[in-house]
Amino acid sequence: DAGVIQSPRHEVTEMGQEVTLRCKPISGHDYLFWYRQTMMRGLELLIYFNNNVPIDDSGMPEDRFSAKMPNASFSTLKIQPSEPRDSAVYFCASSGTRDVASTGELFFGEGSRLTVL
Amino acid sequence: QKEVEQDPGPLSVPEGAIVSLNCTYSNSAFQYFMWYRQYSRKGPELLMYTYSSGNKEDGRFTAQVDKSSKYISLFIRDSQPSDSATYLCAMRGGANSKLTFGKGITLSVRP
Repeated sequence: DAGVIQSPRHEVTEMGQEVTLRCKPISGHDYLFWYRQTMMRGLELLIYFNNNVPIDDSGMPEDRFSAKMPNASFSTLKIQPSEPRDSAVYFCASSGTRDVASTGELFFGEGSRLTVL
Repeated sequence: QKEVEQDPGPLSVPEGAIVSLNCTYSNSAFQYFMWYRQYSRKGPELLMYTYSSGNKEDGRFTAQVDKSSKYISLFIRDSQPSDSATYLCAMRGGANSKLTFGKGITLSVRP
């Protein structure tokens, strides 16, 4: 079974440009999470969805960030306009209801490394 | 005070050493404790999971939770170069609650 698939793996862009990161969760998982990882702050939860509905977006840093999940197999995280301080690795993770209720295990993708110049 | 504090590292040990990785936390509601391992340029993967206090062993790895001290540990026996990775502790309160991660510590095991 394929794991969580993220694209692009690397993105270099200039300040002010729009960035769109994409995620395909594991089939059958009904929870999807977006995290950001930096050396300074570690892994931070930005937003998570349950059954395609955003449940908690309190971690989204500001209005420049938005996330959507139009269907069970696809989600996007958009930054517009991007700034140098947005440079980080962005991870998508998914989980099933049974996992959430028991171990809480998250299944992470390989991440999208974003550099904003 | 951050909810979860983890020794910043990095940590470098010779092959065969016993490694001790630690996290402290402040939220007494945490009941589920995990260690994730993250190889370079990869996403974190669950390594060990413990509910409430006590020890759990899996091969060369032992996870220990002391809720009275709000302290968790991961021990690696006979460390191998393949154990070189970043280790993140994670914890949460009840089922369905959010995971809170430590910042991670990078371990390097020298051949």
